[in-house]
Amino acid sequence: GQQVMQIPQYQHVQEGEDFTTYCNSSTTLSNIQWYKQRPGGHPVFLIQLVKSGEVKKQKRLTFQFGEAKKNSSLHITATQTTDVGTYFCHSGGYQKVTFGTGTKLQVIP
Amino acid sequence: DVKVTQSSRYLVKRTGEKVFLECVQDMDHENMFWYRQDPGLGLRLIYFSYDVKMKEKGDIPEGYSVSREKKERFSLILESASTNQTSMYLCASSVDRGYGYTFGSGTRLTVV
Repeated sequence: GQQVMQIPQYQHVQEGEDFTTYCNSSTTLSNIQWYKQRPGGHPVFLIQLVKSGEVKKQKRLTFQFGEAKKNSSLHITATQTTDVGTYFCHSGGYQKVTFGTGTKLQVIP
Repeated sequence: DVKVTQSSRYLVKRTGEKVFLECVQDMDHENMFWYRQDPGLGLRLIYFSYDVKMKEKGDIPEGYSVSREKKERFSLILESASTNQTSMYLCASSVDRGYGYTFGSGTRLTVV
């Protein structure tokens, strides 16, 4: 299937710092989904973006879908230790698109 | 909340054994998926199903088969387990194409 590329692969931040992960595709996506997987856990669905240029917020998390629907970002403001985990992007729908390889976030207290 | 239940959390099997991984969802979802997760390789799609008795190959179907006789149950079968199939297996379901997935807790399979 088509692949979405995620960067960075790893990120260490001091607690209180901001964090951003990016998801890029070479083709237009019908939507973008974001998931979080805590260490030892399974991926949990966070949000889905569908419209070009869409921005959604969940508390300290801000999700954006690019104007061309080829990229997306997840930004966490003032990270906390509870934000530790791996964040994956994925595009669902009729396209067979694989999950991104994820960004592993470590938060240093 | 939708619940996706995988029959075993940990499983140890011998090389050559036939292995069944079971997945059941309780919210009448049309779509079900099997992924394997390996360090550095992310989530890779093995098989998926958009309806009862139908199945489609994902990116890495070799060595696996699936069965979906009832809407709520999607089984992954390793016909003859090999050590390179040692992995975390994750089942997921979604209400329709283009909707978010609900994952099960995963089965960590070790083939010795």
